Amino acid sequence: GENVEQHPSTLSVQEGDSAVIKCTYSDSASNYFPWYKQELGKRPQLIIDIRSNVGEKKDQRIAVTLNKTAKHFSLHITETQPEDSAVYFCAASGGYQKVTFGIGTKLQVIP
Amino acid sequence: EAEVAQSPRYKITEKSQAVAFWCDPISGHATLYWYRQILGQGPELLVQFQDESVVDDSQLPKDRFSAERLKGVDSTLKIQPAELGDSAMYLCASSLPLDHAGNHNEQFFGPGTRLTVL
Repeated sequence: GENVEQHPSTLSVQEGDSAVIKCTYSDSASNYFPWYKQELGKRPQLIIDIRSNVGEKKDQRIAVTLNKTAKHFSLHITETQPEDSAVYFCAASGGYQKVTFGIGTKLQVIP
Repeated sequence: EAEVAQSPRYKITEKSQAVAFWCDPISGHATLYWYRQILGQGPELLVQFQDESVVDDSQLPKDRFSAERLKGVDSTLKIQPAELGDSAMYLCASSLPLDHAGNHNEQFFGPGTRLTVL
């Protein structure tokens, strides 16, 4: 089955700096890569996703890149703000919409 | 805005007891997922339904866990008997099925049921 590895497990940045979280996947059949943000005590919520026919996608301060050949994808957050502090999960999905999650990255933005 | 509903929100039980969790997906969402999330880790898929049919239950400990979605709408996840290691957050999620072009749809998560086994 699919295996998703995510790093770093924790990340601290100063407010205004950029944050990058990286993930790798194992199943070349995976074709959909969502990213979720989970605030403490709350449910995961989709923040951005990318499909395998696209190399990069951007939404305001958030961008995701995908390298299908290397089987890795990354989340980039620019101009970080304290409200960006949360746990971020990458995920990979193939047929039947089965989604495999990474272990998560705890992002702390220091004011 | 429609949301996935789950109940109860919290459950404390003693080991060897039976527990059940309920999930009501967003109306029209044919795909329903049950995940287990241990503190500090990502959600782990337990079972996935497409309408009333199980699509994937490869990670479901079938000796003690069971799940059903009899009418293809709401779903119940049961644990019997509960063990100490079952303490976790149990998340339900739903999504529309793959579209005719094979494109994925967003998963929407419920608030979860936090289970504590004593």
